[in-house]
Amino acid sequence: GQQLNQSPQSMFIQEGEDVSMNCTSSSIFNTWLWYKQDPGEGPVLLIALYKAGELTSNGRLTAQFGITRKDSFLNISASIPSDVGIYFCAGQQAGAGTYKYIFGTGTRLKVLA
Amino acid sequence: DSGVTQTPKHLITATGQRVTLRCSPRSGDLSVYWYQQSLDQGLQFLIQYYNGEERAKGNILERFSAQQFPDLHSELNLSSLELGDSALYFCASSVGVGANVLTFGAGSRLTVL
Repeated sequence: GQQLNQSPQSMFIQEGEDVSMNCTSSSIFNTWLWYKQDPGEGPVLLIALYKAGELTSNGRLTAQFGITRKDSFLNISASIPSDVGIYFCAGQQAGAGTYKYIFGTGTRLKVLA
Repeated sequence: DSGVTQTPKHLITATGQRVTLRCSPRSGDLSVYWYQQSLDQGLQFLIQYYNGEERAKGNILERFSAQQFPDLHSELNLSSLELGDSALYFCASSVGVGANVLTFGAGSRLTVL
């Protein structure tokens, strides 16, 4: 199925370190969403981006909507153990009356205390 | 609690059988999306409904079907089940069909033996 390219696939970091992950596509998107999923749970929305170039923060999280509209970035500053989980980007395509969201492959984050 | 209710939470069945997964969207949301997440994989978009009408279709198998009822709840029917259908099935809802964020339920874990 169609998915966005998300990198890195996984990362182990020390508590207190900053984290960066990104999502890229060959297609243009109108909206980017970033979600976090804990094991066995549904994804929870972290940040929503609606305009090219937009930079939005939510606490220690900062995300940006790429200028080309084909990518997005998520940064987590000063990571803590509860940041562990899977982070997904989602891009919304629009056209022909449809507005489906395509999800990235996920970045699995593990934080070492 | 996200406000999106999915039942059942867990389901174990045999190959060749048929199951129905149910989703009640968050109050006020008119759009319902279904996603499949296989083990350690990303979220694959299956289908979207808006106010009872199908609006977008992903890589949904012919053995799978869905509908959204007048009270806005949705059901995903999976038939002639195969081992490979074992997965987490998530329902998400949004207010409309355009640039709206998705709110996910906790998922239904299907195991086909």
